[in-house]
Amino acid sequence: KQEVTQIPAALSVPEGENLVLNCSFTDSAIYNLQWFRQDPGKGLTSLLLIQSSQREQTSGRLNASLDKSSGRSTLYIAASQPGDSATYLCAGNTNAGKSTFGDGTTLTVKP
Amino acid sequence: EAGVAQSPRYKIIEKRQSVAFWCNPISGHATLYWYQQILGQGPKLLIQFQNNGVVDDSQLPKDRFSAERLKGVDSTLKIQPAKLEDSAVYLCASSLERVSEQYFGPGTRLTVT
Repeated sequence: KQEVTQIPAALSVPEGENLVLNCSFTDSAIYNLQWFRQDPGKGLTSLLLIQSSQREQTSGRLNASLDKSSGRSTLYIAASQPGDSATYLCAGNTNAGKSTFGDGTTLTVKP
Repeated sequence: EAGVAQSPRYKIIEKRQSVAFWCNPISGHATLYWYQQILGQGPKLLIQFQNNGVVDDSQLPKDRFSAERLKGVDSTLKIQPAKLEDSAVYLCASSLERVSEQYFGPGTRLTVT
């Protein structure tokens, strides 16, 4: 059974700092991994989808990496802004499309 | 492109009452998911449809929860009777195929008193 862990549960950084969010998974037989952002009271917004055959994906100031052998994915956010404040969730997906989510890291970027 | 639509956005009911949630996925998306998200936790998959067939409902409490996907498009999730522990946000998501990127609706916040 897949288990996904995100540590730390909360992170506070000053504006402009580069930061890394971590996601660990127990079953290396994942098909892909997806990173999401969730603002308070809202649904999830997809940020990046990284396939098991890829090592990283980039979108703007975001870069996600995937290392199946170590069971880890990271989300790198460059030059953080107050608007980046949100909860970031990762989900490991099987080839049947079943998703297992972590509990998220709540990021606060202080002006 | 229109996103995933859900209604209602909020619902308050008493325990033992019934409630239904509706989801309209992105047009053309074959796969539809219902998740339960308890405050402070990540979403937990309740049921996954591929077109109008159930792919995975292993975590659906079938004694009280039911779901259907009419004609492979809209879907309804029902709880009957509701318990206090069912208080959560119910999220609907869709994807083009099973292993494609998932897109989420805004969710329905259920409070059971």
